[in-house]
Amino acid sequence: DTGVSQNPRHKITKRGQNVTFRCDPISEHNRLYWYRQTLGQGPEFLTYFQNEAQLEKSRLLSDRFSAERPKGSFSTLEIQRTEQGDSAMYLCASSLNILYGYTFGSGTRLTVV
Amino acid sequence: AQKITQTQPGMFVQEKEAVTLDCTYDTSDPSYGLFWYKQPSSGEMIFLIYQGSYDQQNATEGRYSLNFQKARKSANLVISASQLGDSAMYFCAMRGGPQGAQKLVFGQGTRLTINP
Repeated sequence: DTGVSQNPRHKITKRGQNVTFRCDPISEHNRLYWYRQTLGQGPEFLTYFQNEAQLEKSRLLSDRFSAERPKGSFSTLEIQRTEQGDSAMYLCASSLNILYGYTFGSGTRLTVV
Repeated sequence: AQKITQTQPGMFVQEKEAVTLDCTYDTSDPSYGLFWYKQPSSGEMIFLIYQGSYDQQNATEGRYSLNFQKARKSANLVISASQLGDSAMYFCAMRGGPQGAQKLVFGQGTRLTINP
């Protein structure tokens, strides 16, 4: 297991289109997180799963955003009807125990044109 | 609510010098954790070091050490003998809140540039 994997690395889409990102966590990690990072800012929390249960969602996660982790392994983040303000880096992370932080993936950079 | 403040947008340091990156935090929770992450231009967030609020000693990991001053609510990262590969964004983050709180709150980051 080489770490947290995110696909695609880059995505360019037209405004109004739907996009879906995938995250494969470290296999033994039961916790999975999504963060969003805009240019010049630190990452902001979006949502968190423990196994397949989505336990926390940020108010940043509007109703155009949905995240799933159907079998408690990989996760998907879908953005419907994308807007230019959705342009950002979307980071996925996983952990066994929050006490010592997460392992992050390399992120998916979304550009909405 | 937790808040992290990093007041240095950019730092320029000569190779082999030590560098201190500042971080102050605000929380009302007695139990919390402080983290530093490095983000190179590739985008991945790389964990560097962790300090728990009840830890008596400052954390160290190789060339990284965390200068934890609880009364001043500061958690500065010290990198000794800087290398060209240390050039990156550095983020301070905090875990805290109710038992089981899972999210990290990040500062705005400091861009470190190491000059040869």
